[in-house]
Amino acid sequence: DTGVSQDPRHKITKRGQNVTFRCDPISEHNRLYWYRQTLGQGPEFLTYFQNEAQLEKSRLLSDRFSAERPKGSFSTLEIQRTEQGDSAMYLCASSLSGPHEQYFGPGTRLTVT
Amino acid sequence: AQSVSQHNHHVILSEAASLELGCNYSYGGTVNLFWYVQYPGQHLQLLLKYFSGDPLVKGIKGFEAEFIKSKFSFNLRKPSVQWSDTAEYFCAGGKDFGNEKLTFGTGTRLTIIP
Repeated sequence: DTGVSQDPRHKITKRGQNVTFRCDPISEHNRLYWYRQTLGQGPEFLTYFQNEAQLEKSRLLSDRFSAERPKGSFSTLEIQRTEQGDSAMYLCASSLSGPHEQYFGPGTRLTVT
Repeated sequence: AQSVSQHNHHVILSEAASLELGCNYSYGGTVNLFWYVQYPGQHLQLLLKYFSGDPLVKGIKGFEAEFIKSKFSFNLRKPSVQWSDTAEYFCAGGKDFGNEKLTFGTGTRLTIIP
C-alpha cells in the first residue's frame, strides 16, 4: 500500500493558462474525492467519484473545472483559464464505499501569477 | 446546511499539559465524525473516527474523542501532550451511511513548548 499520490506537487502558472493535476488512489479504493484548501481554512469538497462515475459536484466547481476518472483508477482535475483565485492546495483522497475513512494525498499546490 | 466549527484557532501548551480541542457540528440525521492531523510538511492523517457505537473513541498516539450527541460535540483530548504533537488539527463530519464527502472545520494550530 503506497498511499494516495498526486502529481505534480507544485505548479506555478500564469493567469489564463490551463493546468491539469493527477491523483492515483489506493489501489483497492473505489471512491475518489477532490478537495481544495486555502490558507487558514480546512479542506473544501469539490467532487467525488465512485469507480468511473462522478456522483457529486460542489457549487465551488465552476465551469472552468473538470474532473475525470476514465477507468475507475487514477483521476485528473483540469482547470481552464486559471484565475488568481484558483491559487490553493488541491487535495485528493480515496476510500472504500460505505462508512470508511478517507485517506489523503500530499496535495498539489497551485500558484497562479 | 452541514457545518463543522472549531473555535480554538491557535492553542499553545507546555509539554505534559492536558489537551482538549473543541469541535461542534451541525447535521441532520446520523453523522460520522473524524479528527485529522497535519504535521508540518506532511499530508493529512487520520487520528480517529466515529461511526456508531461507543461514543468514546480512541485513536493513534494517545488521542481520544467523545461524541456527545446532546451537545453536537466531538472534542479531541489527550492527557499529556508532547512536543511532537505540534501540528494542525482538523475536525470533519460526513452524513450517515455513505460518507460521500467531508465537511471540515477551519482547523486548530497546536504549538507545544518544550
